[in-house]
This record gives sequence, structure tokens and C-alpha cells, in this order.
Amino acid sequence: GAVVSQHPSRVICKSGTSVKIECRSLDFQATTMFWYRQFPKQSLMLMATSNEGSKATYEQGVEKDKFLINHASLTLSTLTVTSAHPEDSSFYICSASSVGPGFGPQHFGDGTRLSIL
Amino acid sequence: GENVEQHPSTLSVQEGDSAVIKCTYSDSASNYFPWYKQELGKGPQLIIDIRSNVGEKKDQRIAVTLNKTAKHFSLHITETQPEDSAVYFCAVSMNRDDKIIFGKGTRLHILP
Repeated sequence: GAVVSQHPSRVICKSGTSVKIECRSLDFQATTMFWYRQFPKQSLMLMATSNEGSKATYEQGVEKDKFLINHASLTLSTLTVTSAHPEDSSFYICSASSVGPGFGPQHFGDGTRLSIL
Repeated sequence: GENVEQHPSTLSVQEGDSAVIKCTYSDSASNYFPWYKQELGKGPQLIIDIRSNVGEKKDQRIAVTLNKTAKHFSLHITETQPEDSAVYFCAVSMNRDDKIIFGKGTRLHILP
């Protein structure tokens, strides 16, 4: 079945570091990918919609200069957390849906746990 | 914007009994209602979904019902097993490839 892969699965780094997270659709093409953030024991909150070849659409309250999104191909979107601080520590999850006739539901990656010291 | 309410937040069920989780939504234009199961440290997995032109859908021990007039939908798990223990999220979207708004989740414990 369709698989979405995220890398890395876990990151621990110092405050002020920029961190890049990759989201890949392994066996299908995705014009749209979504980035979510999940704090412990809470729900997934949509951060932004990543569109291949164009600028991402950010949800209200999400700083676009803080969370840089690039969707350079139909199988890869990246989220860069710039100058990360402890309050950015969270579980970041991406999702993607395939395009074309008979497209399927969204498939989620297994997330990236980001810990900022 | 869309608002999704989910109840209960925690549910303990004896193994073999049924579990029911309920959700309501606010935007009558929503058309797609997936349910996700999330295990510790992993991303959510789709377990069943339903579109607004269908009132009920079943897949083995899992079923979903939708009342579009009342704007609520429910997940039913029958003959619960220990591996059903997880956090379950209801979600709402305009279409299968559109952004998804999640409920707050239900932590389901299956008691031996």
C-alpha cells in the first residue's frame, strides 16, 4: 500500500539550531502534502499545506518565517524549523494523498520527534 | 472554521465488549469523515472512513455511522481485543485530498 516516510524519526539539538525534516511519498505522487504538529497527549494541529511548485499555505498563528516549507517535487516536501527553541519541541507529522483518478485517502508518516535543549 | 468535538476523552472497555466514540462537527459543507488510530510514537493510521452520501459503513469489527443532518458521526468497535488499545481520532475534511481537522482524541483501554 501507499507509504509516507519521514526522516529523521528523532532529533535532539541545541537551542538556536535549524532543523530540516523530510517527508517522502514512496510509491505515489503527491501534489499536496500537509504538515501537522502534535504536543504530548494532544491532537494533531495542522500547520501548513505544502503544494508542489508553489508557496505553502500556513494556518493562522503559524509563523511562515519560522517554519519553512519546500515542496520541490511530487514525492518530497521538507519542513525546516529555523532557530529552534525549546517551545518548538514537538512531534511533527506529515501526510500526503496520491493524485489522479482513483486517488486514495491521506497517508501519514510516522512522525519526527524534535527535542530542543 | 470547522470545529470538531470528540467524546469521551478516555474509555475503558472489558475485552470482548463494544466501544463507541462520538464526534460532532460544525461545518455542514464537510464531506469526508475518516477515523484514525494512533499508537505510541507513531503517526495516525486510517482505520475507516465515510463520505457524506453514505449513512453507515462497516469493515469487520469496525463500523462508522454518520448523521449529516445532526452533524455527528460515531465509531463502533465490536468484540474488542487488547490490540485495540490506542488513541483514536475522528476527523473532518471537505474531500479525501483536502486538509483534515482532527478531534481531540479518545484514549481507549481494553481491560483483560
